[in-house]
Amino acid sequence: DAGITQSPRYKITETGRQVTLMCHQTWSHSYMFWYRQDLGHGLRLIYYSAAADITDKGEVPDGYVVSRSKTENFPLTLESATRSQTSVYFCASLGQGGNTIYFGEGSWLTVV
Amino acid sequence: QKEVEQNSGPLSVPEGAIASLNCTYSDRGSQSFFWYRQYSGKSPELIMFIYSNGDKEDGRFTAQLNKASQYVSLLIRDSQPSDSATYLCAVKKVTGNQFYFGTGTSLTVIP
Repeated sequence: DAGITQSPRYKITETGRQVTLMCHQTWSHSYMFWYRQDLGHGLRLIYYSAAADITDKGEVPDGYVVSRSKTENFPLTLESATRSQTSVYFCASLGQGGNTIYFGEGSWLTVV
Repeated sequence: QKEVEQNSGPLSVPEGAIASLNCTYSDRGSQSFFWYRQYSGKSPELIMFIYSNGDKEDGRFTAQLNKASQYVSLLIRDSQPSDSATYLCAVKKVTGNQFYFGTGTSLTVIP
């Protein structure tokens, strides 16, 4: 099916481990985003990408790394996971009209 | 200062009533304004967006924008129990296609 798929959907990891959350979209949208959602903080932008090989920091980039070698993929890596990174992570892309963000189903990450 | 502020609620309205959700934003340069609905455990989905001052209607939903007051609202007419969700306000920056979201308002429609 077309759209945005995230994997894994659910992950439990230990403090200090590296974790990569995958994001794949089938629309060839240029802009892609990573958000985290926490109670009391809402959705916060971690990183975004305007195109392949172009990425930029959002509101809360510390502790995260992104890459975008291909238009359709936008993985998010936690280099050394911390408990404060326990959250729900949403990958998203921006539709052609520039006004509709499409979200993936989310990745629930718990760092113990 | 947060880019987008919303009253977290919870807001409860009886079925059939009008639900009013409000949002303020800090950057006068913000370009477009969005309302998303998010059911528990699900991803946000777009309800509607507005970029001109005034009202924009879509079915039971009306978005209102007042740029002078930096204020955006969403009215839901004839509220239904299926409207019970968290409503997120978002703004789009002029540069970089960055979207910033509020913390959301939880709405419960009581049958």
